Amino acid sequence: NAGVTQTPKFQVLKTGQSMTLQCAQDMNHEYMSWYRQDPGMGLRLIHYSVGAGITDQGEVPNGYNVSRSTTEDFPLRLLSAAPSQTSVYFCASSYGEAGELFFGEGSRLTVL
Amino acid sequence: AQSVAQPEDQVNVAEGNPLTVKCTYSVSGNPYLFWYVQYPNRGLQFLLKYITGDNLVKGSYGFEAEFNKSQTSFHLKKPSALVSDSALYFCAVTIITGGGNKLTFGTGTQLKVEL
Repeated sequence: NAGVTQTPKFQVLKTGQSMTLQCAQDMNHEYMSWYRQDPGMGLRLIHYSVGAGITDQGEVPNGYNVSRSTTEDFPLRLLSAAPSQTSVYFCASSYGEAGELFFGEGSRLTVL
Repeated sequence: AQSVAQPEDQVNVAEGNPLTVKCTYSVSGNPYLFWYVQYPNRGLQFLLKYITGDNLVKGSYGFEAEFNKSQTSFHLKKPSALVSDSALYFCAVTIITGGGNKLTFGTGTQLKVEL
């Protein structure tokens, strides 16, 4: 099992550009989520999904879109990048609502 | 709203000594509590969790945590620290709502274990 795979690992964008962070898991987990990690702020939930076709907003959803067309994939889209979106992004999946989260290796995004 | 506090940004301990990383939480309902560890430039890894039952939870790499309902705390402990335990530790909490796995994380505590 590869677990949770995120791509790309690093990305530099200019303000106003759009991009998609990819996330895939091969554990057949129903629950998937996206977090961002900023210094001194821990991890904050952006969006989450409880299954294919079902997504919802987390704590900091503004400027991000998600979709869940399959159980395996949960991409995160930045519509118009802003410097405030410079962060490290983590995708995670779990089996069950209170199951342990399995994290990807992270995607470091810099917006100039 | 749920929240987690990790009052120490950094904890220093000598190898072989016991370590404690503190965590307190606030939720409306029965808490599900977790500890995760993050090594540099890596994703978070699960250490242990409390759901119900015994207040002392044992996890990976010799770590354990004690749930204290009256003090709303879930401190992480290890009897004898190793240099390889040096990492960033996160406490997290959630409750069951039927609406997804939505963990709230603390700000993290950097653990430094020195020879």
